[in-house]
Parts: sequence; C-alpha cells; structure tokens
Amino acid sequence: AQKVTQAQTEISVVEKEDVTLDCVYETRDTTYYLFWYKQPPSGELVFLIRRNSFDEQNEISGRYSWNFQKSTSSFNFTITASQVVDSAVYFCALSEAGSGYSTLTFGKGTMLLVSP
Amino acid sequence: SQTIHQWPATLVQPVGSPLSLECTVEGTSNPNLYWYRQAAGRGLQLLFYSVGIGQISSEVPQNLSASRPQDRQFILSSKKLLLSDSGFYLCAWSEQPGDEQFFGPGTRLTVL
Repeated sequence: AQKVTQAQTEISVVEKEDVTLDCVYETRDTTYYLFWYKQPPSGELVFLIRRNSFDEQNEISGRYSWNFQKSTSSFNFTITASQVVDSAVYFCALSEAGSGYSTLTFGKGTMLLVSP
Repeated sequence: SQTIHQWPATLVQPVGSPLSLECTVEGTSNPNLYWYRQAAGRGLQLLFYSVGIGQISSEVPQNLSASRPQDRQFILSSKKLLLSDSGFYLCAWSEQPGDEQFFGPGTRLTVL
C-alpha cells in the first residue's frame, strides 16, 4: 500500500496565485516525521520542513505554510503569491518509528509550474 | 558547514559494464548515509542506507551494491549494468535516523 500519496501530478498557476499541494500519508505508528522537499530543474533535492507527529501546529515560513491534520492524515503545503522560481517538483515524505526512522518514504511528487 | 559531493555528475555506460558512483560528506562525523534512485516518473526509491563504516542495509534486491569504506564515504557499485539501471542517483546524509536528510547534486546515469 502506498504510504505517501500526492494525488496532484501537475499543477499550473500564474504568478501571484496561491497554490496548495496535497499530501496524504498512511502509517500505523503513533510516532513519525513528515517532510517536504523541493526539486528544482537542477535535480538536487532541497529540504523545506520536518514535522513531528506530536506537533500539529501549523507552520509559516515566508510565503510557505504547512497544514498538518492528524485526523485526516494530511500534511498540505501552501505557497502564497507564487513566483516563477517556485517552479519545481515537490515531494512529501514519511519516516516512521517502526523502521527506526531509517527509511524515508517519498510520494511520487507534484510538479508545480508557475508562469509569468 | 556540511557539504555533500557526488561524482561523476553524468555518466553514459554500455550494458554489462561496471559502475562506481562515489559520495562524500564534509563537515560532520558518523553521518547516516543513503543512496536513492529516481527513475523517469519522478519517484524516489531508497536503495541502501548506512549507519556506520561497513554497515549497509539494502532496501531493494537488485544488481547494485553499496559500500562504506570510510566514515564519510559511500560508494554505489555494480558489476554489470542493466538498461533498467538508468536513472538519477542521489546520495543523502543525516545526523540521526529521522532527521532531515540533505541531498547531493546527483549523478545522471544512462545505460545504453
């Protein structure tokens, strides 16, 4: 069973629009970490955020914000006032206590295209 | 600050040839190290991880192997490449399991 689902394969927006990238996860562990990574065209994955399963507070970092909802097993990512430089593939990932946190399970990614 | 290097950046190899990709981390000690492959379609697949010198865990059985001869060096190898080995190979490190992983620039491998 897929543990991390990013149902949106590709999203296209125009600059300055807000956009939300969805992430739904599945785990039997009560302790786990969730992550978001950005992969620009250059290919290197850039770490954005790590969230502990016990911390459901939403987080904001500049134009980025994250909404963690344990009740719906979701960890959604919103970019406010998108810019062309936000164009990239975004990955959500899960690390579980049951595996000793040794493995990071990625979703298939969402490609975000921001046009001027 | 910590940095992670991978080489080569790109590689074109014939089917049946050997492979050696190298990853090194600077600025940290005893990191956890990881090899991922990203095939066409964007999904990342964990291939191997290592918590210390000589300690390798394999996630997916295949014709690839990994070794960690030094604390901050992680090598991905194959004796005979297959067409299906083509992809983008990423090395990553973390301080501890569960911490955020930091990725290298990757190696784009094409097997012809």
